[in-house]
Amino acid sequence: GIQVEQSPPDLILQEGANSTLRCNFSDSVNNLQWFHQNPWGQLINLFYIPSGTKQNGRLSATTVATERYSLLYISSSQTTDSGVYFCAVDPAYSGAGSYQLTFGKGTKLSVIP
Amino acid sequence: GAVVSQHPSWVICKSGTSVKIECRSLDFQATTMFWYRQFPKQSLMLMATSNEGSKATYEQGVEKDKFLINHASLTLSTLTVTSAHPEDSSFYICSTDGGGSSYEQYFGPGTRLTVT
Repeated sequence: GIQVEQSPPDLILQEGANSTLRCNFSDSVNNLQWFHQNPWGQLINLFYIPSGTKQNGRLSATTVATERYSLLYISSSQTTDSGVYFCAVDPAYSGAGSYQLTFGKGTKLSVIP
Repeated sequence: GAVVSQHPSWVICKSGTSVKIECRSLDFQATTMFWYRQFPKQSLMLMATSNEGSKATYEQGVEKDKFLINHASLTLSTLTVTSAHPEDSSFYICSTDGGGSSYEQYFGPGTRLTVT
């Protein structure tokens, strides 16, 4: 099956710092999503971004589908940004409309005041 | 985006008993829902695909007789963990596609199961 690798596995930031999280995937994808899992376990949709660039406030994401990677940028980090960030993909070879996501192992972000 | 709820949010049960977890789509009709499991400090793993009005499709290694899935309506899918054991303790999360034209998935808040 498709391989999804996230880096770094752990990241500690001072409040106000910027960071870049990376997601590499081994095959073409129909879907790529970034999630933030909060301390209560809820997965919060950050971006649906199989290709291109999107921005939402302090967060932005870029997916270069031809090179099979995606980046999540967090600017001016806040303590509330702490948690685990997951990248998940739906491989194109699974067929149109499969909607089945394969998750990376996540990046655990800790933002300290 | 789509709104998905789960009930209960947490449950503790004794070994050998069965537990039912509900997943509801609140603002759209979901013909397909997905069930994932997450062990502590690990990633999410797809367990099964739940299809309204038909049998669920289970991923390799998931016991279909242990994890019973029923998708009887377009807004409700249930996961029943039968004869639960401590190793079934986990965080169970459902998702659906939101009924849109994209492949974007929306997740419920999850159910934390502890088997004693």
